[in-house]
Amino acid sequence: EIQLLDSGGRLVQPGGSLKLSCAASGFTFASYAMSWVRHAPGKGLEWVSSIYGGGSTTHYADSVKGRFTVSRDNSENTLYLQMNSLRAEDTAIYYCAKGTEYSSSSSFDYWGQGTLVTVSS
Amino acid sequence: IQVTQSPSTLSASVGDRVTITCRASQSISSWLAWYQQKPGKAPKLLIYKASSIESGVPARFSGSGSGTEFTLTISSLQPDDFATYYCQQYNSYWTFGQGTKVEIK
Repeated sequence: EIQLLDSGGRLVQPGGSLKLSCAASGFTFASYAMSWVRHAPGKGLEWVSSIYGGGSTTHYADSVKGRFTVSRDNSENTLYLQMNSLRAEDTAIYYCAKGTEYSSSSSFDYWGQGTLVTVSS
Repeated sequence: IQVTQSPSTLSASVGDRVTITCRASQSISSWLAWYQQKPGKAPKLLIYKASSIESGVPARFSGSGSGTEFTLTISSLQPDDFATYYCQQYNSYWTFGQGTKVEIK
């Protein structure tokens, strides 16, 4: 059974940093691109970042470029999102999601349960 | 690529045929997916590549379209279908539509 377990969300002050994790199981992790998607209160879904299976190719939404860094450890089957210079507008539930391809754009067929990030003083 | 979804809210009754539309700002071929999200839950993939149904999804869900115009149709709305639906283009990076909330009439 494919499972994605998001963790790391908490209350953080504006300007602070946070690292989210997504532990994957039930599939060959290194064979698939992985992504982060967020859902802010009262708003729709927003794609945040993606990383291809090998880990060398990454993509970011303009809203987080230069502040967030996506990475993966294929030996530990874990996806990460390092979030720096956090702003109030980054407050959201963050989901990791599995792509259906190794190295190209695809839909997301499995999702984590989400982890809440709150940026507030 | 911008993706515009309509309507934003839809009121319907059990048994109704429901259609949601998604328009892309430029051609995305068939690189479009549809997701269902219920409150407090992660999104669930329903349709990929515009018209391919994900395994385990009831056959009352169907998708159509190509280029810039796409539709999600629920042939006979069931109680479990009251939720918010999102389209997503994946031709160039990823963009979600604004969402359509399907409410009980």
